[in-house]
Amino acid sequence: EPEVTQTPSHQVTQMGQEVILRCVPISNHLYFYWYRQILGQKVEFLVSFYNNEISEKSEIFDDQFSVERPDGSNFTLKIRSTKLEDSAMYFCASSIRDSSYEQYFGPGTRLTVT
Amino acid sequence: DQQVKQNSPSLSVQEGRISILNCDYTNSMFDYFLWYKKYPAEGPTFLISISSIKDKNEDGRFTVFLNKSAKHLSLHIVPSQPGDSAVYFCAASEWQAGTALIFGKGTTLSVSS
Repeated sequence: EPEVTQTPSHQVTQMGQEVILRCVPISNHLYFYWYRQILGQKVEFLVSFYNNEISEKSEIFDDQFSVERPDGSNFTLKIRSTKLEDSAMYFCASSIRDSSYEQYFGPGTRLTVT
Repeated sequence: DQQVKQNSPSLSVQEGRISILNCDYTNSMFDYFLWYKKYPAEGPTFLISISSIKDKNEDGRFTVFLNKSAKHLSLHIVPSQPGDSAVYFCAASEWQAGTALIFGKGTTLSVSS
């Protein structure tokens, strides 16, 4: 069964450093998403991406964040200058169509900012 | 501003019995609802969904009921199995507003044998 994969599973970085989280969505899916879950809190939407551009973003997704689909398979989330409060689980998801359809999530990357 | 609320943080059920997980929402524009299951150190796994034009959707042991007038949905698991023990998230989306899923805080289900 096809699945969303994410690397790395755990990333430790120092405050102010740049990190790139990587995702390989399900191959025939057209919509891609990033969500995050701070420990003990709910899963929060960050951004959605369709047709090589951002289709929607939340207030959390400020200028420190960017997304890219550098090739036909990868989808990345970059945080330019990490802050302590960026520590969270970051989940990538993909769906075959828009929000009327199910989003399938990857296993997540645990980002720890020290 | 909690648009999706799961007011029970935990639920304990015996194996073989019914588990009922509840979810309330405040945004009447939501038109698609989903349930996800999450094990520790894994991503949310899609379970079942329902469109606002329906009031019930069934898939094996899982049934989701939607009561639009009450802005309430529930997930029934019958019969419950120990492997169902996980955190269950309710999520909703509004097609016109975009693609984001809005999640509740989750309910931890424990099924004992």
